[in-house]
Amino acid sequence: GDSVTQMEGPVTLSEEAFLTINCTYTATGYPSLFWYVQYPGEGLQLLLKATKADDKGSNKGFEATYRKETTSFHLEKGSVQVSDSAVYFCALPGGFQKLVFGTGTRLLVSP
Amino acid sequence: DTAVSQTPKYLVTQMGNDKSIKCEQNLGHDTMYWYKQDSKKFLKIMFSYNNKELIINETVPNRFSPKSPDKAHLNLHINSLELGDSAVYFCASSQDSGSFPSNYGYTFGSGTRLTVV
Repeated sequence: GDSVTQMEGPVTLSEEAFLTINCTYTATGYPSLFWYVQYPGEGLQLLLKATKADDKGSNKGFEATYRKETTSFHLEKGSVQVSDSAVYFCALPGGFQKLVFGTGTRLLVSP
Repeated sequence: DTAVSQTPKYLVTQMGNDKSIKCEQNLGHDTMYWYKQDSKKFLKIMFSYNNKELIINETVPNRFSPKSPDKAHLNLHINSLELGDSAVYFCASSQDSGSFPSNYGYTFGSGTRLTVV
């Protein structure tokens, strides 16, 4: 079935460092792709999405480009802040009315 | 505020008890979900309902019974609680776009942390 694979964490960075969190997908066709963020003690929030190949989703300084050649949707941010510390999930539709999530990557940003 | 709201936020109970978690959304969405998040943050779908009709039931023990009195509410009742049921349970909702409402993504509640002792 359709699935996503994320890099294992935690990813530990200093403030203002460049962030990349890798996500690759396996899917039939070209589904929408999502990044969700979960701050400590909270539910998941949609961070960004891309609905077709070569689309770039962006929000709050984060970006991800839907690349069908490499079946990837890597999350990037040019300069992370302490407040970006959270768990990040890559996701795609896994069939009728169901989102399938990656295992999550914890990001820790220190001042 | 438009949102998905769950109650309670925390639930501590003894093994063998029966408990319920409630979820309400005022976004006008047709589809609602229950997900379970384990201690390693892994998220797994349990159920989905579309306009009060059960759509997905993912190999969940029958001690778990969802109920949707209307399309804005999806409750989760758990009988005979076990230690392994300890987790965070998330409710979510999504627009109905026909075949793939999940193409719009979900709006999540803030979760219910269930601890069985």
